[in-house]
Amino acid sequence: KAGVTQTPRYLIKTRGQQVTLSCSPISGHRSVSWYQQTPGQGLQFLFEYFSETQRNKGNFPGRFSGRQFSNSRSEMNVSTLELGDSALYLCASSSGQGAFGELFFGEGSRLTVL
Amino acid sequence: GENVEQHPSTLSVQEGDSAVIKCTYSDSASNYFPWYKQELGKGPQLIIDIRSNVGEKKDQRIAVTLNKTAKHFSLHITETQPEDSAVYFCAASKGYSTLTFGKGTMLLVSP
Repeated sequence: KAGVTQTPRYLIKTRGQQVTLSCSPISGHRSVSWYQQTPGQGLQFLFEYFSETQRNKGNFPGRFSGRQFSNSRSEMNVSTLELGDSALYLCASSSGQGAFGELFFGEGSRLTVL
Repeated sequence: GENVEQHPSTLSVQEGDSAVIKCTYSDSASNYFPWYKQELGKGPQLIIDIRSNVGEKKDQRIAVTLNKTAKHFSLHITETQPEDSAVYFCAASKGYSTLTFGKGTMLLVSP
């Protein structure tokens, strides 16, 4: 069974640009959530999508957005990049059934903003 | 919002020793407490979890305890092995994939 796939794995952008990251969840999983990981702040929740609807949202500015497609694949977008957006962006999928369940993380997309 | 404190930030033990990592949380409504292990270059992986209606859970060399009154929970690893070396994260949740993570503990197990 294939795991969570994130693309691209590494990317470099400059301030002011925008970026789109992609996540393919485990087959059959309908929930996709996104986390930002930095050395200073650790792992922080961005948002969660279930059946193409945003079900939860963390405390990030509106520059961070996401969406989910009918095949459960998800993308997140960061506009007007700032230096502080440099981080590892992790996608996690779960079945989404019930309130609790194991999150399966991908290996992440490492974004560097220059 | 929820706040999770995790200690220690680094932990060095000898192979065969036990390791204990402690976390406290602030929101009494949290009722799900997973622990994740992250190896270098990989995403976090669930190793054990506990729900608020349970005080302790074991899985081979790993155990988690929960004290809801004191709002703290702990991870216990016995008979540590070099492959246990990784960063461990505790988390708290009220459900639906919304986890609040601690800052992590880097565990180093020396042969």
